[in-house]
Amino acid sequence: DAKTTQPTSMDCAEGRAANLPCNHSTISGNEYVYWYRQIHSQGPQYIIHGLKNNETNEMASLIITEDRKSSTLILPHATLRDTAVYYCIVRVVPVGTGTASKLTFGTGTRLQVTL
Amino acid sequence: DGGITQSPKYLFRKEGQNVTLSCEQNLNHDAMYWYRQDPGQGLRLIYYSQIVNDFQKGDIAEGYSVSREKKESFPLTVTSAQKNPTAFYLCACGGQQGLRYTFGSGTRLTVV
Repeated sequence: DAKTTQPTSMDCAEGRAANLPCNHSTISGNEYVYWYRQIHSQGPQYIIHGLKNNETNEMASLIITEDRKSSTLILPHATLRDTAVYYCIVRVVPVGTGTASKLTFGTGTRLQVTL
Repeated sequence: DGGITQSPKYLFRKEGQNVTLSCEQNLNHDAMYWYRQDPGQGLRLIYYSQIVNDFQKGDIAEGYSVSREKKESFPLTVTSAQKNPTAFYLCACGGQQGLRYTFGSGTRLTVV
């Protein structure tokens, strides 16, 4: 699996967009980019994933560069409840039955949203 | 509501005792996973199971054991052989070919 690099921590003012970067320069062509977040003392929550096109859902947008070596998770209007650790993960989606879908979580980016 | 339930939320045990953490899901997912998280660290995979009656070791399986007798249940036993059992334990499930995990709310185990 490709390794990812994220900043240790970031701050964002409430109501502003939070842009969380992730570098994955060794990503291969069949690896997807996944984002999860973990609010303190809870289980991680799936946010979004993508392969090469930009993606948007009700929680966030995912912008992947054309060379796929980096991506940015965008929370368009951050609130205090978005304060969490955000994990960027790259992984091949396994094909066929009986194949594992193991996710490896690094230390992520701690986003602090402030008033 | 479909979901995944871990119990108990907090657990205290004396050193040298085995303890079993419960994980139950009603999402009809084939794959289930156990992770361990230490303060300020990411999650580390302990064991995972792709189907009933089958499971594989993750990265830190020593001192732990699991069973998968039913699709809905994947209990984790922390044995006395685990040298540093105090941690936050998270259970997850996911579709067999998917990476969209659903996590439980975790069990915080403290061994005294």
